[in-house]
Amino acid sequence: DARVTQTPRHKVTEMGQEVTMRCQPILGHNTVFWYRQTMMQGLELLAYFRNRAPLDDSGMPKDRFSAEMPDATLATLKIQPSEPRDSAVYFCASGSGPLGQYFGPGTRLTVT
Amino acid sequence: AQSVTQPDIHITVSEGASLELRCNYSYGATPYLFWYVQSPGQGLQLLLKYFSGDTLVQGIKGFEAEFKRSQSSFNLRKPSVHWSDAAEYFCAVGGSGNTGKLIFGQGTTLQVKP
Repeated sequence: DARVTQTPRHKVTEMGQEVTMRCQPILGHNTVFWYRQTMMQGLELLAYFRNRAPLDDSGMPKDRFSAEMPDATLATLKIQPSEPRDSAVYFCASGSGPLGQYFGPGTRLTVT
Repeated sequence: AQSVTQPDIHITVSEGASLELRCNYSYGATPYLFWYVQSPGQGLQLLLKYFSGDTLVQGIKGFEAEFKRSQSSFNLRKPSVHWSDAAEYFCAVGGSGNTGKLIFGQGTTLQVKP
């Protein structure tokens, strides 16, 4: 049963520290999406890639967030420096064309 | 503008009762429509999807949805709700383009009374 995996599942860090979240998309999927979910804002699209190339990162705070796909099996989302307002659940999803997205279990980030 | 509206933020139904969750969309091209479910502490799981053909689609966990183009709606239904169906439900719309980007509604939280 192919699944999107995300690590870590939980992360607690202090303000100012760097945070790296990792995602392994489903093998064969060529599109990867990063979302952030909070109670206040709901589900927000941060960035997405197709064939490892960034298509749109307009949802990300550019000064502190960065997203990359070093290879087809790994997507990363980094926050440097982290701030308390970054506390949220971050989801990765992968897909192939318009046929739907498949979500990972998320990384719950708490910045103190 | 492309958008998805889920008019009901919160719905409570009794176990065994029928369920209908509403979804209305605005999309300039032929829509691809999806319903996702999110249980507490979990990621979003794809329940069902509509691309073309039969306007009544069946999904997992006994759910179905009906596409009504004239009403720009894609409502989710289940004949008999189980306590384990308590979760948040998201409707989403995308297009036939290859990006696969989806526009999500704000979600409807379903509470099931025993």
